[in-house]
Amino acid sequence: AQKVTQAQTEISVVEKEDVTLDCVYETRDTTYYLFWYKQPPSGELVFLIRRNSFDEQNEISGRYSWNFQKSTSSFNFTITASQVVDSAVYFCALTDMYSGGGADGLTFGKGTHLIIQP
Amino acid sequence: EAGVAQSPRYKIIEKRQSVAFWCNPISGHATLYWYQQILGQGPKLLIQFQNNGVVDDSQLPKDRFSAERLKGVDSTLKIQPAKLEDSAVYLCASSLPGQYEQYFGPGTRLTVT
Repeated sequence: AQKVTQAQTEISVVEKEDVTLDCVYETRDTTYYLFWYKQPPSGELVFLIRRNSFDEQNEISGRYSWNFQKSTSSFNFTITASQVVDSAVYFCALTDMYSGGGADGLTFGKGTHLIIQP
Repeated sequence: EAGVAQSPRYKIIEKRQSVAFWCNPISGHATLYWYQQILGQGPKLLIQFQNNGVVDDSQLPKDRFSAERLKGVDSTLKIQPAKLEDSAVYLCASSLPGQYEQYFGPGTRLTVT
């Protein structure tokens, strides 16, 4: 069975600080995909990034960066120079392939509520 | 490109009543998912369709929940009869064949009193 753990329930930082959201996952599959989604107060889940299990390169997109480490089953997300608009709930999620060639449903963590104070 | 559409956005019913939610996925997205998100938790998959066939409904409480996607496009999720613990946001998502990103609709917030 798959499992995603986001141990940080809530994080509060002051604007312009850097913040890292932790994600640890469990799966018996050798091929899997990891995701981060953002859920602002409006409620809609916004896709941020996908990472394949066979690609351990870190990725940077503007102020966002992701650190994938297979050895520790972690996929952490860092926001540099945080802004008030980054305030949201962030979810880490996991899925694998299915025989039809597409993705199974996502297994989500419980989410981390990030509060950026001005 | 239009996103995933869901209706209604909000619904309040009494326990033991019935309710139905509607989802229209992004055009061309063959795979459709329904998730239940209880307050303070991550979404949980209820059912996954590939075109009009069910791929996974292992977490769907089949004694009271049902879902269909008759023409491989729109989908409806029904609860009959509703219980207090069904209060949640019901999210619909869709994806293209062979791709792994799922795109979510705005959700339907259900309150059972």
